[in-house]
Amino acid sequence: GAVVSQHPSRVICKSGTSVKIECRSLDFQATTMFWYRQFPKQSLMLMATSNEGSKATYEQGVEKDKFLINHASLTLSTLTVTSAHPEDSSFYICSARTMYGYTFGSGTRLTVV
Amino acid sequence: AQKVTQAQTEISVVEKEDVTLDCVYETRDTTYYLFWYKQPPSGELVFLIRRNSFDEQNEISGRYSWNFQKSTSSFNFTITASQVVDSAVYFCALSEAVGAAGNKLTFGGGTRVLVKP
Repeated sequence: GAVVSQHPSRVICKSGTSVKIECRSLDFQATTMFWYRQFPKQSLMLMATSNEGSKATYEQGVEKDKFLINHASLTLSTLTVTSAHPEDSSFYICSARTMYGYTFGSGTRLTVV
Repeated sequence: AQKVTQAQTEISVVEKEDVTLDCVYETRDTTYYLFWYKQPPSGELVFLIRRNSFDEQNEISGRYSWNFQKSTSSFNFTITASQVVDSAVYFCALSEAVGAAGNKLTFGGGTRVLVKP
């Protein structure tokens, strides 16, 4: 139980375009979803916390206008990287808290060319 | 603020050797949870164990064991008789338990384990 499905797993986009990443909780309701970014050989850094039906809370240094988060339902949260640039190339992973701990999506590897 | 430190960035061992990964944490809360995750090259995070701050009982699960020492704020993890499939990055993480579902998870820097045949 407590599965989070994340799509796409891998995406290549051109500089200046936008990319949407989806995370769906399949068998539970995710009131809160966390979005992390991981650069190569580095740890996971929390970007933002999204709560269903309200605005996301962004960590210091994360541009809220560039990384748009929408959590319109208890089973779906999306992260849109707007006007992507090569420096946005990274591994993005979502996570939801469950009664047992945290469950993670499988991650999205974004490459901006 | 909470902080997790994994001093070892990379460990290389030969198969069947034991590997111990260190984790030291900082938190002001008296109630918190500690986790270990494994991240293989494919990228997904594999949950290994969760411990709450009131449970200092150490545990062995197969080839894995954990040593939680509240007095030294450490939560170390040992792989016994390592195998090549254990090669991955291992993350220690901390969550403060105050409040409801919004508690974020803070990760340590990770330790890359390379098990050579």
